[in-house]
Amino acid sequence: DQQVKQNSPSLSVQEGRISILNCDYTNSMFDYFLWYKKYPAEGPTFLISISSIKDKNEDGRFTVFLNKSAKHLSLHIVPSQPGDSAVYFCAASMPRSNTGKLIFGQGTTLQVKP
Amino acid sequence: DGGITQSPKYLFRKEGQNVTLSCEQNLNHDAMYWYRQDPGQGLRLIYYSQIVNDFQKGDIAEGYSVSREKKESFPLTVTSAQKNPTAFYLCASSPGPPADTQYFGPGTRLTVL
Repeated sequence: DQQVKQNSPSLSVQEGRISILNCDYTNSMFDYFLWYKKYPAEGPTFLISISSIKDKNEDGRFTVFLNKSAKHLSLHIVPSQPGDSAVYFCAASMPRSNTGKLIFGQGTTLQVKP
Repeated sequence: DGGITQSPKYLFRKEGQNVTLSCEQNLNHDAMYWYRQDPGQGLRLIYYSQIVNDFQKGDIAEGYSVSREKKESFPLTVTSAQKNPTAFYLCASSPGPPADTQYFGPGTRLTVL
């Protein structure tokens, strides 16, 4: 049962344009969400997170939006750069469960073309 | 520099052999995790530990074992009972619940011949 889904396996955008990566979840108990970036044969790098009490969080070129009613979050990268080409994973957790466990989506491969 | 180290980067073993993957962190984090990544899939949780001398099974613990004798170290043993051990293994740590942001090591690619 896939509780966190990234339905687009890949995305290609032009350098300088906006990249929008999407993530859907099914468990309404999730209340903390994260995005990670991963290059091949390396560990994921934490990018940005959002708590369910917010609907938007920004950090430089990266913005995460959360729509709790739709159980949907998205990561916007503006402007996109060739170095952003990587696999992006969204993850969700329930801090109140006190386990620290993260549930990951399958990942979306972003390609930014020069 | 604080961080998480995994060794070796690449590991080859013959079928039927047990193998232990190393994970060390100097972030003073209480919680540590082991994940497995297969092509086209997300990260799946194998085992996790929230405190020294205690650990819990994740979603795919069969064929794996762990120990947590020191706060800094969380080695993973892939046993011969694991039916499909070839994968990319990732170790992570976090300050501990309820803070859930996990920080990952560089990974170990295990290939069983």
